[in-house]
Parts: sequence; C-alpha cells; structure tokens
Amino acid sequence: QSALIQPASVSGSLGQSITISCTGTSSDVGNYNLVSWYQQHPGKAPKLMIYDVSKWPSGVSNRFSGSKSGNTASLTISGLQAEDEADYYCCSYAGSSTVVFGGGTKLTVV
Amino acid sequence: QVQLQESGPGLVKPSETLSLTCSVSGGSVSSSTYYWGWLRQPPGKGLEWIGNIYHSGRAYYNSSLKGRVTMSVDSSKNQFSLKLTSLTAADTAVYYCARAGPYDDYGLFDPWGQGALVTVSS
Repeated sequence: QSALIQPASVSGSLGQSITISCTGTSSDVGNYNLVSWYQQHPGKAPKLMIYDVSKWPSGVSNRFSGSKSGNTASLTISGLQAEDEADYYCCSYAGSSTVVFGGGTKLTVV
Repeated sequence: QVQLQESGPGLVKPSETLSLTCSVSGGSVSSSTYYWGWLRQPPGKGLEWIGNIYHSGRAYYNSSLKGRVTMSVDSSKNQFSLKLTSLTAADTAVYYCARAGPYDDYGLFDPWGQGALVTVSS
C-alpha cells in the first residue's frame, strides 16, 4: 500500500481557516468512510482529531472538521489559533484489516 | 481512562531483533471491543502503521515489513508485544503503541503511548 498524499506544508493567519488535503485511491480513501486525522506537536504522541471522515472524539474542538470527496479527504481548521501549529496526518482503511497514513503536513500559524 | 506505556531497549544492533512491550492500564487487552496497534515514526519523518493485534491473538501486519514482524498478547500481564527481526538503520524510529477500534473502526487509534525511541546502531 502506498502512502496517502498530503501537502508538505500549509500556513494561515490567526483567526483564518485552512484546509489540508489527503489524496488516496479507490482502494483506500475512495472506498471507505474510515478516514481519521491526527495532530502531533513536536516531541509528543499523535492525538486523534477526526475519525470516520467527519466525527469528533470527545474533547476535540469543533473548529476542526473533516470531509471527503472521491479519493480525497480534507481537514479544515477554522478560527486558527497559535496552538494549532503542529503536524497533521491523515489515515485511511486500505482493506484486509490494514491502514495507511499520509506523509504529514506541517501547519504554520503566522 | 486507558493509558499505554511502551518499554524496551533504546539501542539495538543491526541484524538483531527488537522486542517492545506495551503495558495497558485502565482497560483490558482481552476486550472484545477494541484491539491494539503498533506504529512508528523515523526521526523527522511521518507515521507508519506496523500492525494490529486482537485479543484472540489474530494479527494483521504492514506488508512492507516483509514478514519481519510478529505481535502477541499476554492477557495475564495486560500487555501486548512487538518483535521486529533483521534490523537495519532504517528501523530507527520512535515506536508507539495505541488502542485501536472499536470493532471495525479501522484507522482509529486512541489513546497512544508516549513513544519509545529505538536506535539501530553497532
């Protein structure tokens, strides 16, 4: 299975909205509504932010939202805050009880 | 709440076998609702899924690891383990354990352990 494709970096200003894309294939993202997103601050373990394309785990801000169209999933962060600056990874079910991650996107808040 | 903690050697020689253990508290590895996963992250790089294991012992692995990986569950100790053989420098990474699921909710890893840095070097 090949890694999902994410932009290496995105940036946005405080209070603005940004969107991170995650492109897979019809064998993973396009075939299952099982896409999740993780936030990772430097030196920390990843944190689940979105699962099943657009669901929020308990305690996660609704400024984070997820969607999917065809083979591409997206994570949108609205009302950017300084603490949102982190690396973000998408993950998708790829069939046969396996999953695949994206390469990660570094979000810079300016 | 459920907490996970990785343990194992921080330095392993090339060609040798890595053995890591994940201790679970606040939950049971015997749960029929959740299953358990190992993931890793080479320094400065992205996340890679290694595999998942169910309480029954049935496991699924990343095919890119080409048969070098084995996972197991020890219900008596409430732990699950990872073995990775024929190590090379490319296996140097922070290794994470995580709870996966529930049920067939693949790709849902929550919570994660704090991670254990493993360096492969002679």
